[in-house]
Amino acid sequence: GAVVSQHPSWVICKSGTSVKIECRSLDFQATTMFWYRQFPKQSLMLMATSNEGSKATYEQGVEKDKFLINHASLTLSTLTVTSAHPEDSSFYICSARVGRFTEAFFGQGTRLTVV
Amino acid sequence: GENVEQHPSTLSVQEGDSAVIKCTYSDSASNYFPWYKQELGKRPQLIIDIRSNVGEKKDQRIAVTLNKTAKHFSLHITETQPEDSAVYFCAATYILTGGGNKLTFGTGTQLKVEL
Repeated sequence: GAVVSQHPSWVICKSGTSVKIECRSLDFQATTMFWYRQFPKQSLMLMATSNEGSKATYEQGVEKDKFLINHASLTLSTLTVTSAHPEDSSFYICSARVGRFTEAFFGQGTRLTVV
Repeated sequence: GENVEQHPSTLSVQEGDSAVIKCTYSDSASNYFPWYKQELGKRPQLIIDIRSNVGEKKDQRIAVTLNKTAKHFSLHITETQPEDSAVYFCAATYILTGGGNKLTFGTGTQLKVEL
């Protein structure tokens, strides 16, 4: 199947700093990528849909100025958590689809801890 | 928007027994229903999916059934093994003609297969 690589796998940062998470489709071009947030023992909550070459579409309740998404190429989308606070600590996962196929492939996730 | 409910939240079975997880969805336009398995700290992995033009699909020990009229679908795992222990998520999505879609996930089921 298609491979989606996410980096870093885990990161610890200080409150007030920003953190960038990368999501790459390694063997296919992804016009659309999705960013999810997952709290312990909870489901995946869609944060935003990232479209190559255009602005991301954010879900209700997600602050676009807080979670900056850039999808500059067909193989890379980035999520930047700006001015991070302890409540932003979570597991962030990206996913991408292969063209018109409906199957979504997930990155390995990023464990963010803000101290 | 789509709303997906999943039951039960936890499920314990003896090795060799069957496990059934049920989901309901709200958007009658949804036409694709994947199931994901997520082990602790890892990415969700697609285990089986079904489209709305099919009522049942089977892959070895795993099967999924779909009732469009009632808007519910179920995951069936037979002859469970300890390695089946994980969190399982159902999801639903509406596939647009142009290929756009976004998954809405259920709340997850923690399956524990006991020896």
